Amino acid sequence: DTEVTQTPKHLVMGMTNKKSLKCEQHMGHRAMYWYKQKAKKPPELMFVYSYEKLSINESVPSRFSPECPNSSLLNLHLHALQPEDSALYLCASSLDRERTDTQYFGPGTRLTVL
Amino acid sequence: AQKITQTQPGMFVQEKEAVTLDCTYDTSDQSYGLFWYKQPSSGEMIFLIYQGSYDEQNATEGRYSLNFQKARKSANLVISASQLGDSAMYFCAMREGTQGGSEKLVFGKGMKLTVNP
Repeated sequence: DTEVTQTPKHLVMGMTNKKSLKCEQHMGHRAMYWYKQKAKKPPELMFVYSYEKLSINESVPSRFSPECPNSSLLNLHLHALQPEDSALYLCASSLDRERTDTQYFGPGTRLTVL
Repeated sequence: AQKITQTQPGMFVQEKEAVTLDCTYDTSDQSYGLFWYKQPSSGEMIFLIYQGSYDEQNATEGRYSLNFQKARKSANLVISASQLGDSAMYFCAMREGTQGGSEKLVFGKGMKLTVNP
C-alpha cells in the first residue's frame, strides 16, 4: 500500500484566518515533504522532515508553519496568507532520503485565499 | 541551469498507439534517480516508474517503460497501448544529492498528453 492521505481536499480561507492542512502515511516512511504547486507549473519543494525533524526549509515565508507530531503525521499551519498563496498543496513521503527512494504523493489540498 | 528538460509542451496520440515522452537531464553526480509521475486533472501526482543511474536494464512497469540512455542523459518514457485514462500531465524528475541528504526532487516543466478515441 503506497497511500498518502491529505485533508481537506479543498479549503477556502480569508487572509485573517488560521487553518491547517493535514497529511498522513502509514507506510513506515521516515521522510515527509510539503510541496506547493501553482497552475501549469511543476511542484516546488517547501519543507522536508526527516525522522520527525525539519531538515529543509526552502525559504518559505513564516506564514506557513510545518509540524511533524509523529512519524506518520505532517501538518502545515497557515496564518495570514495572501491571495498569491492560492495553490495546490501536495504532501509526499519516502522511505528515507536516499536517491533511490521514491516519493509518494497524496491527492493534495486545493487552497484558495480570498 | 535547468536540471530537467521536457521540451514537448503537449502531445496528442490515438488510443491504443504507443507514445514517447522526452526527458533530458543534467547532473554531475554519478549516483542519481530518475522518476516519472503522472498528474491527472484531479491533481494527485501518481508515481509511474523509476530508473537508477547504475541500473543496467531499462525499467519497465506494465505499459510503462523507460528508454534510459545514460551517455546522452536522456530518460524517455514510453507508454504502450495508450488508453483514454492516460490523458494527463507527465513530469520527469530527478533526485540527486544535496548537502546532508538527497531530499530534493527536481521536476521538469511537464508535458500534457491527450489520448484521442
